[in-house]
Amino acid sequence: KNQVEQSPQSLIILEGKNCTLQCNYTVSPFSNLRWYKQDTGRGPVSLTIMTFSENTKSNGRYTATLDADTKQSSLHITASQLSDSASYICVVSADNAGNMLTFGGGTRLMVKP
Amino acid sequence: GAVVSQHPSRVICKSGTSVKIECRSLDFQATTMFWYRQFPKQSLMLMATSNEGSKATYEQGVEKDKFLINHASLTLSTLTVTSAHPEDSSFYICSAKVTGVAAFPYEQYFGPGTRLTVT
Repeated sequence: KNQVEQSPQSLIILEGKNCTLQCNYTVSPFSNLRWYKQDTGRGPVSLTIMTFSENTKSNGRYTATLDADTKQSSLHITASQLSDSASYICVVSADNAGNMLTFGGGTRLMVKP
Repeated sequence: GAVVSQHPSRVICKSGTSVKIECRSLDFQATTMFWYRQFPKQSLMLMATSNEGSKATYEQGVEKDKFLINHASLTLSTLTVTSAHPEDSSFYICSAKVTGVAAFPYEQYFGPGTRLTVT
């Protein structure tokens, strides 16, 4: 069964600090891995998409890494801001058509002043 | 670009009534749209995949007669919750997929969601 596990489930950090969120997956076959940010009461917004051949991708203060051998990914947030408070969802696609997505449970991040 | 809208953003209805939720891709054509349901503090759960001009494909455990999906155009898909009950109260999110060979790996753009409350 395809699964995506994220850790930690929740995290509280102080504004300005860095943090790293983890994602482990057992999805096969593997096409690509996505990180989304979901604000409370809103739909997810894409941060990064990485295919098999990519091992790092950045989007501003967000940097995602992918190790396809160990089936692990991380999302690093640099110099956190209050607006970073949200759920971060790791999603793995099993097909190149982008239809078969397996969602992780998300990490709820709270950034405090 | 790649904006997906949903309407309404919130709806409250009485038990037994039907509610229609619209999902529109505003600046691109989407042959495939997806409907998700999200309960509090849980991740998104795929309900169905909607292809323009054909019947939707429902995930196991989702009642197709209760959740009617219509994808009549390349920019609009609708989800109708029929005979709604309190347990149908949830956050419903649609997404639309950009298609075409150049669009790989086929990003899904999500709508802002619709909060349904059934009283």
